[in-house]
Amino acid sequence: EPEVTQTPSHQVTQMGQEVILRCVPISNHLYFYWYRQILGQKVEFLVSFYNNEISEKSEIFDDQFSVERPDGSNFTLKIRSTKLEDSAMYFCASGRELNEQFFGPGTRLTVL
Amino acid sequence: DQQVKQNSPSLSVQEGRISILNCDYTNSMFDYFLWYKKYPAEGPTFLISISSIKDKNEDGRFTVFLNKSAKHLSLHIVPSQPGDSAVYFCAANEGGATNKLIFGTGTLLAVQP
Repeated sequence: EPEVTQTPSHQVTQMGQEVILRCVPISNHLYFYWYRQILGQKVEFLVSFYNNEISEKSEIFDDQFSVERPDGSNFTLKIRSTKLEDSAMYFCASGRELNEQFFGPGTRLTVL
Repeated sequence: DQQVKQNSPSLSVQEGRISILNCDYTNSMFDYFLWYKKYPAEGPTFLISISSIKDKNEDGRFTVFLNKSAKHLSLHIVPSQPGDSAVYFCAANEGGATNKLIFGTGTLLAVQP
């Protein structure tokens, strides 16, 4: 059964460094999302992406964040200058239609 | 932001019995609800969903009930199996152009053999 995949599974970085989290959505899906879960807190929406542009973003998704679908298969989340509070599990999700979201296994980001 | 609430942080059930997980919401604009299961170190796995125009949806051992007047939904698992032990998240969206999911805090289900 097709799955959303994410790499790396764990990323450790120094505060102020840039990180790129990678996702390969399920191949015929059209809608793409990033969520995050800070330890002990809820899963929170970051951004949705459709038709090669952002369709919605949350307050968390400020100028430090960007998303890209560079080659028709990958979907990336970039954090330009990481902060300690960016440490979280980051989940990518995709769906064929609006009311469908299948999640990847997540990337654990640790900012030191 | 407590638009979706799961008031029971944990639930313990005997194998073979029914598990009932509850979820309350405050936003009357929500029109689609989903349940996800999550194991440690994995992403949420989609289980079952329900549109606001329905009051019940069933898929195998899983049934979701929606009571719009009470702004309450529940997930029933019958019969419960030890492999069902996981954190269960309720999520909702407003539909239309907004398809972001608002998640509850989750309920840890432990099914005892």
